Amino acid sequence: DARVTQTPRDKVTEMGQEVTMRCQPILGHNTVFWYRQTMMQGLELLAYFRNRAPLDDSGMPKDRFSAEMPDATLATLKIQPSEPRDSAVYFCASGLVEGGGYYNEQFFGPGTRLTVL
Amino acid sequence: RKEVEQDPGPFNVPEGATVAFNCTYSNSASQSFFWYRQDCRKEPKLLMSVYSSGNEDGRFTAQLNRASQYISLLIRDSKLSDSATYLCVVTPSGGYNKLIFGAGTRLAVHP
Repeated sequence: DARVTQTPRDKVTEMGQEVTMRCQPILGHNTVFWYRQTMMQGLELLAYFRNRAPLDDSGMPKDRFSAEMPDATLATLKIQPSEPRDSAVYFCASGLVEGGGYYNEQFFGPGTRLTVL
Repeated sequence: RKEVEQDPGPFNVPEGATVAFNCTYSNSASQSFFWYRQDCRKEPKLLMSVYSSGNEDGRFTAQLNRASQYISLLIRDSKLSDSATYLCVVTPSGGYNKLIFGAGTRLAVHP
């Protein structure tokens, strides 16, 4: 049963520290998404990649957040420096887009629960 | 105004009840529509796609009204296991599979 995996599952850190979250998409999927979920804002898209190339990162605070896909099996989301307002659950999702770019299902990982003190 | 709006609930219903959720979207050029389900402290999962002609999957029926820009989800014969948050989702025109999520409607089914 193919799944998206994310590490770490939980992270508690202090303000100003660097945080790196990792995601392994489902093998064969060509699109990877990063979302952030908070009680106040719900699920927000931060960035996404197609065939490892960034397509849209307009949802991401550029000064402190960065997202990369060093290879097809790994996506990373970094926050440097972290702030208390970054506390949220960060989800990675992957999907397979074929043909004309019409939607195919996105599969979510279990999320990383980040707390910045 | 948010792109996708939903009544946050909670909807508290007894087992066996029929419950309906609505969702409105602001972008008339939105292309695709879905309902996702999210259990407490879990990730969202696709429940069903929503087609213009409407579609049904067991006890679940989804409908789309493009003219009024709203989407509905009907759950018949509610089960305790249906308790979750239901997220309305749309993809914008030309959005390359970008998903825009509503804030979700919480459903609690009680015995």
